[in-house]
Amino acid sequence: QVQLVQSGAEVKKPGASVKVSCKASGYTFITYYIHWVRQAPGLGLECIGMINPDDGSTTYAQKFQGRVTMTRDTSTSTVYMDLSGLKSEDTAVYYCARTYTWLASFDFWGQGTLVTVSA
Amino acid sequence: DIQMTQSPSSLSASVGDRVTITCRASQVIRHDLAWYQQTTGKVPKCLIYAAYRLESGVPSRFSGSGSGTEFTLTISSLQPEDFATYYCLQHNVYPPTFGQGTKVEIK
Repeated sequence: QVQLVQSGAEVKKPGASVKVSCKASGYTFITYYIHWVRQAPGLGLECIGMINPDDGSTTYAQKFQGRVTMTRDTSTSTVYMDLSGLKSEDTAVYYCARTYTWLASFDFWGQGTLVTVSA
Repeated sequence: DIQMTQSPSSLSASVGDRVTITCRASQVIRHDLAWYQQTTGKVPKCLIYAAYRLESGVPSRFSGSGSGTEFTLTISSLQPEDFATYYCLQHNVYPPTFGQGTKVEIK
C-alpha cells in the first residue's frame, strides 16, 4: 500500500536549519509529485512548495523562496525539505503529500513531522 | 495567491443534521477544488476532489457541488465520526491554497 513515512520530530533554535525527510513506498516514486504543507499549532494549512521526483525540478511558494530547498534521492525514494533561517513562527507540523500532476488534490499524506523552534 | 474563504468558521450541529459548508475563491478556479476532513492530531483526509467527485471509501452522505468561485460541501446526515474540521483546497493556480477551516462541533 502507498506510504509516505516522514522523519521524527525536531527541536531547533532560531536561525538554525531543519531537514525533514519523506520516504515513499507502494508506488512508482517518479510518477507522483511531492508537496510540503505545514500547519502551525491550532491553525490552518499552508503550502510550502513541491518537487518533481522524476527530474528534481522544484516550485516554491513565494513566501518561502530563498529559505527552502527540496531535493530527492531516487535510489531510496526519499524527498527532503530543508528550511533555513528558522523563526518561532516556523513552529508547525510539516507534512509531505503527493499529487498525480503538479497541480492536483493531495491524495496521500505523510504522518507529519513536528518542528519546534525555540530558544 | 488565490484566497479561499470558508463559511462558517465554526458550527454546532446534532447527529442526523444536514450540514452545509461554503468555500469562495477570489478568482475563477473551474472545478479545481477538493475538500478535506481533519480530526484533532490526525492527517487531513480527502473527501471530495474535482469539486464533486467522492474519494474512494468516503461515505455517500458527503457531497460536493459548485464551480467557478462558489463551492459547497454537504453532509446529508451528520454522524458522530464527522465532528472535525473541514478545509477546502484550490489547485487551479500555484501555490495551492486552503480555506481557513470550518470546525463542526457537537451541539
